[in-house]
Amino acid sequence: QSVLTQPPSASGTPGQRVTISCSGSSSNIGSNTVNWYQQLPGTAPKLLIYNNNQRPSGVPDRFSGSKSGTSASLAISGLQSEDEADYYCAAWDDSLNGLVFGGGTKLTVL
Amino acid sequence: EVQLVESGGGLVQPGGSLRLSCAASGFIFSSYWMSWVRQAPGKGLEWVAHIKQDGSEKYYVDSVKGRFTISRDNAKNSLYLQMHSLRAEDTAVYYCARGRTTFEYWGQGTLVTVSS
Repeated sequence: QSVLTQPPSASGTPGQRVTISCSGSSSNIGSNTVNWYQQLPGTAPKLLIYNNNQRPSGVPDRFSGSKSGTSASLAISGLQSEDEADYYCAAWDDSLNGLVFGGGTKLTVL
Repeated sequence: EVQLVESGGGLVQPGGSLRLSCAASGFIFSSYWMSWVRQAPGKGLEWVAHIKQDGSEKYYVDSVKGRFTISRDNAKNSLYLQMHSLRAEDTAVYYCARGRTTFEYWGQGTLVTVSS
């Protein structure tokens, strides 16, 4: 059972907009920033969003992040087949004094 | 170009020990916190430990405290994870990552299998 809660799966058709939620608590998302990672099959994770809504250079602006209270969301617009991957949220947890990840969401492009 | 290359994984019996290494290049290693993150087969990501630039601060996930030790050698641009008393549940791909809580660069991972 992960400290951060994500839906196990999400799906959409090419061109659609999909959102992935990440629910936490006051000790993690409520008091710290959220990062999002994309993991393509068989590869290492890649930083997609940091500090709630910042994109590293090279990440398309189709990807966006937001945070409100103890929840965060990742939005992908103009869905493409290459977006099919696992997505993880992460945040520092002040109570656990450690970094916690969500359980991951497998995105399928139909 | 930033590169992180892990090594040292393999098959080990329960209760055994293993030392993972991560060779860093393409950046000033001594300027960054470094971390280990693992992923059990078919499972999600789990942060394991991180270490401050000069090695003076180290933090661990509860499940490995007292069994794993993170260390670094800035002269060799290398990060290590010494693992003792290994359990079946430690079976995972172990990634080396640059940063304390935000990981912009990751290695390719090294597989640790704990089994008799």
